[in-house]
Amino acid sequence: GEDVEQSLFLSVREGDSSVINCTYTDSSSTYLYWYKQEPGAGLQLLTYIFSNMDMKQDQRLTVLLNKKDKHLSLRIADTQTGDSAIYFCAENLQYSSASKIIFGSGTRLSIRP
Amino acid sequence: ETGVTQTPRHLVMGMTNKKSLKCEQHLGHNAMYWYKQSAKKPLELMFVYNFKEQTENNSVPSRFSPECPNSSHLFLHLHTLQPEDSALYLCASSLTGELGKDTQYFGPGTRLTVL
Repeated sequence: GEDVEQSLFLSVREGDSSVINCTYTDSSSTYLYWYKQEPGAGLQLLTYIFSNMDMKQDQRLTVLLNKKDKHLSLRIADTQTGDSAIYFCAENLQYSSASKIIFGSGTRLSIRP
Repeated sequence: ETGVTQTPRHLVMGMTNKKSLKCEQHLGHNAMYWYKQSAKKPLELMFVYNFKEQTENNSVPSRFSPECPNSSHLFLHLHTLQPEDSALYLCASSLTGELGKDTQYFGPGTRLTVL
C-alpha cells in the first residue's frame, strides 16, 4: 500500500536540534523528500535522499534513512525561529507515464524562545 | 521562486460561479500536476498531465475540469463548486516520468474559498 505517516506537532527550544520523523510503507520508492511549507506559502523542496543512501547532510540539515524499517528522519541543527513551518515527508513512486509523490500529513514545527 | 507560477493567489467564489485557475512553468518540464491541500488532510493528487496528455484522474468530481494546452500551461476550470472544495490548490511540474529521477517543483498555490 501507499502510506506516509508523520506526527502532527513538534515543539523545540530555539538553538536546540529538531528531529522530525516519518514512516512509509511502499518499499519500491527510490527517492524520499522533505518539503517545507511556511505560513501562507506553497511547498518548498528542502532536501531529498536516494534510497540507496543512509545519510545526507546539507548545512544544518541531516537526513537519515533506515530502509529496513522504512523510517526517514530530518534533523535541523541549531533551530531558529525562521524554521517554524510545516514539514512534509514524501516518497516518489512511478505510475502510468509520470511520477507520483505520496505525502505525509505534515509535522508542524514550532520554536520556543 | 521555483519556476512555477500560479494565478490568482486568492479566489473567492460563489457556488454558481465559473472560474479558472492558471499554472505556468518556466522549467522546460513535460509533466504537470494539480494537487488539493485541505486542512488536516494529506496532500491529494487530482490530475496529472504528461506531454499534454492526461495520464491520471484521481476520482475527482466533474465540477473540476483540467486543461493542458501545452507543456508549459495548466488550467483548472471550476464550476458549481461546494463549500467543502475550499482549499489550497497547488500546481507542480516535473521533468519526465523517469522512476527515481523525477522531482516535482511546486507553485505557491491558489487559496480558494467557496461561499
